[in-house]
Amino acid sequence: AQSVAQPEDQVNVAEGNPLTVKCTYSVSGNPYLFWYVQYPNRGLQFLLKYITGDNLVKGSYGFEAEFNKSQTSFHLKKPSALVSDSALYFCAVRPSLNAGNNRKLIWGLGTSLAVNP
Amino acid sequence: DGGITQSPKYLFRKEGQNVTLSCEQNLNHDAMYWYRQDPGQGLRLIYYSQIVNDFQKGDIAEGYSVSREKKESFPLTVTSAQKNPTAFYLCASSTLGPNEKLFFGSGTQLSVL
Repeated sequence: AQSVAQPEDQVNVAEGNPLTVKCTYSVSGNPYLFWYVQYPNRGLQFLLKYITGDNLVKGSYGFEAEFNKSQTSFHLKKPSALVSDSALYFCAVRPSLNAGNNRKLIWGLGTSLAVNP
Repeated sequence: DGGITQSPKYLFRKEGQNVTLSCEQNLNHDAMYWYRQDPGQGLRLIYYSQIVNDFQKGDIAEGYSVSREKKESFPLTVTSAQKNPTAFYLCASSTLGPNEKLFFGSGTQLSVL
């Protein structure tokens, strides 16, 4: 079965330190990979995506993610965390065979990021 | 100001009652989606629509119904057949294409009285 795993329910980092939120996946073909962020009691916002090309993708708010095909991972990173980065982060994957169809998005369960001042 | 508007923000349902959640978008997107979010369970797709007057069941459609009479609007009805309706409901929209991203509304928290 195709799946997306976010192995950490919660990540705690100190403000100013680098942060990593992990995502691994198991899907057929070459997937499209996405990260979304959700602030409390709000909808999700798109952060970044990987389709093809450079394995390091840059997105909104200083976030970036690294695609690793051999490890089937797409970890979210930021060099210096801010308290305002505290939120719930979702990884989502869509098999390339289902291009053009968001119905086939496979979601991780989310990772709660807490950045401490 | 473009975006997706969900209303109401909070909704309470009595036993045996149907309730309707509103979702409107002015992004001219063809596709619209309803997700249910429960703590620790991520997002689960209820219904989606890629064109006016057509919609498809998602993974957890039982106890829900939708309509898509206008491109801008995709209301969700939570029927009395949905026995565990308490959740946060998210509406989203997107263009059609290989790499399109989802735009989300701010959500509706539905609770049972």
